[in-house]
Amino acid sequence: DAGVIQSPRHEVTEMGQEVTLRCKPISGHDYLFWYRQTMMRGLELLIYFNNNVPIDDSGMPEDRFSAKMPNASFSTLKIQPSEPRDSAVYFCASSTTQRESYEQYFGPGTRLTVT
Amino acid sequence: GQQLNQSPQSMFIQEGEDVSMNCTSSSIFNTWLWYKQEPGEGPVLLIALYKAGELTSNGRLTAQFGITRKDSFLNISASIPSDVGIYFCAGQLNRANFGNEKLTFGTGTRLTIIP
Repeated sequence: DAGVIQSPRHEVTEMGQEVTLRCKPISGHDYLFWYRQTMMRGLELLIYFNNNVPIDDSGMPEDRFSAKMPNASFSTLKIQPSEPRDSAVYFCASSTTQRESYEQYFGPGTRLTVT
Repeated sequence: GQQLNQSPQSMFIQEGEDVSMNCTSSSIFNTWLWYKQEPGEGPVLLIALYKAGELTSNGRLTAQFGITRKDSFLNISASIPSDVGIYFCAGQLNRANFGNEKLTFGTGTRLTIIP
């Protein structure tokens, strides 16, 4: 079975540019999570969706960040405009609670560098 | 955001040695998960625990859900070079309300194996 798919794997952009990260969750999973990982702050939850609806976006740093999930198989995380402090690895994860399982499965991540 | 306290932060061991690490929280959790992350990859789920006192094994890995619900332990027996990586614990808070699907992650234990 295919796991969580993320693209691109690496992104290098200049400050002020728009960045769009993409995620395809595991088929059949009804929850999707976006995380950011840095050395200083570890893994931080940014936002998560249930059945394509945003449930909690309290972790989104500021208005420059936005996330959408137009359908069950696709989500985007957009940063506009990007800043050097946004440099991090961004992970997407998905899960299903059909069996009261909270096991989240992570994608390989997108390493973002903003210069 | 809240993070779980993991210890030790790093370990340097020789191949063949056993490894122990733990995770503690000030809050009660009703699910504990253990993940391993290798360089350039996303966290991979190793073991999931759902009941206080539960002891679960996955090959050379054994994890326990603390009886107080505030801690968990991971042991690796007879370590091998491919065990190198960062190990994260993650917990799901014991809340009955909708929106309790979030995981709180530990700070990680970096395992290095000395040849």
